[in-house]
Amino acid sequence: ILNVEQSPQSLHVQEGDSTNFTCSFPSSNFYALHWYRWETAKSPEALFVMTLNGDEKKKGRISATLNTKEGYSYLYIKGSQPEDSATYLCAFALYNQGGKLIFGQGTELSVKP
Amino acid sequence: EAGVTQFPSHSVIEKGQTVTLRCDPISGHDNLYWYRRVMGKEIKFLLHFVKESKQDESGMPNNRFLAERTGGTYSTLKVQPAELEDSGVYFCASSHLGGTSPKNIQYFGAGTRLSVL
Repeated sequence: ILNVEQSPQSLHVQEGDSTNFTCSFPSSNFYALHWYRWETAKSPEALFVMTLNGDEKKKGRISATLNTKEGYSYLYIKGSQPEDSATYLCAFALYNQGGKLIFGQGTELSVKP
Repeated sequence: EAGVTQFPSHSVIEKGQTVTLRCDPISGHDNLYWYRRVMGKEIKFLLHFVKESKQDESGMPNNRFLAERTGGTYSTLKVQPAELEDSGVYFCASSHLGGTSPKNIQYFGAGTRLSVL
């Protein structure tokens, strides 16, 4: 059984704090690692797709790193804002599986003004 | 460009009834995926279409679930008869590249929240 683990499950921070979350995934048969941002009742929004060991991606105040050898990815948010409040999902794609995604349970971030 | 749209956004039915969910993918996307999130758990894969063909239906829970994609455009997911444990959010996603590229991005709809009472 393939598991994707995310930690922490939830996080409460003050506006302006920087924060980071972890995604752990199986290191064998790796194809890609996706990060999504999801607000309830809206579409999950793709943040990053990472494929190579050592990849670093950045989008505004959000960045992510990837270590495929040890099977983890970090997502960082610099200077959190209330509008960053959402659930952050990571999903792992296996090689030769048609692109289907295996999701973690998500990290629910709440940013207080 | 329109995104992935799903209908209805919310459905409340009684146990034993039938419900049909619809997904309209992004125009031109051959790959269409269905996923489900039950309360408190992770989003789980149900099945994958390439055009009108079922590429992978390994995630379908049982034979009460039937997915179709006639003509390779929109897709429907029918649950008949619905059971209490079918409650959850059903997501549809579409992509251009599918499994042919590791950089394949799946674009998700907002989901259908199904409540079976």
